[in-house]
Amino acid sequence: DTEVTQTPKHLVMGMTNKKSLKCEQHMGHRAMYWYKQKAKKPPELMFVYSYEKLSINESVPSRFSPECPNSSLLNLHLHALQPEDSALYLCASSEGQGTYEQYFGPGTRLTVT
Amino acid sequence: EDQVTQSPEALRLQEGESSSLNCSYTVSGLRGLFWYRQDPGKGPEFLFTLYSAGEEKEKERLKATLTKKESFLHITAPKPEDSATYLCAATPYSGAGSYQLTFGKGTKLSVIP
Repeated sequence: DTEVTQTPKHLVMGMTNKKSLKCEQHMGHRAMYWYKQKAKKPPELMFVYSYEKLSINESVPSRFSPECPNSSLLNLHLHALQPEDSALYLCASSEGQGTYEQYFGPGTRLTVT
Repeated sequence: EDQVTQSPEALRLQEGESSSLNCSYTVSGLRGLFWYRQDPGKGPEFLFTLYSAGEEKEKERLKATLTKKESFLHITAPKPEDSATYLCAATPYSGAGSYQLTFGKGTKLSVIP
């Protein structure tokens, strides 16, 4: 089973709201990722967790706050977002960092009003 | 700087008309070259990983090949359900990006019945 699940599927939030995106995998993968994808663009890496520790932060604004409660779960906490943050947010996981293929979830479509 | 370039940007094929998508890469040593399929509004679906020049992998109507400078995704006798955006990504062997996927912009394939 190569399934990564994400909730919610869709999210609409105002600029003053606080919300969280959730991601889960049960493949025993030790690396998990957050990506942002705008329309007609490839995914852009935001964060990488390896063995539950943040290993890469691609200079993402502090209004995005990742959290990895355990090896199967990954959260992305959102606060004071801007309309330009509207995008498809993708979670992915892999056996480890580096050569291993990443398996993506279906994404959360976020709209900031 | 690591770069992945895909061509063409868009491709329209008649059902049954075979063709190839191109992915050229310039990375500081290649750890892995990955192909993904992405349907609109969904997360990328993993297709293939290629590690070394001369390697080939097949799955149904798709065949991926790798040379020292580029990769091809050959589509034999495509069907309308093959319509999607195909993404190519590379991981370099060393440097700051050695644990990250560098994506191309994708090729949007449309197969007309």
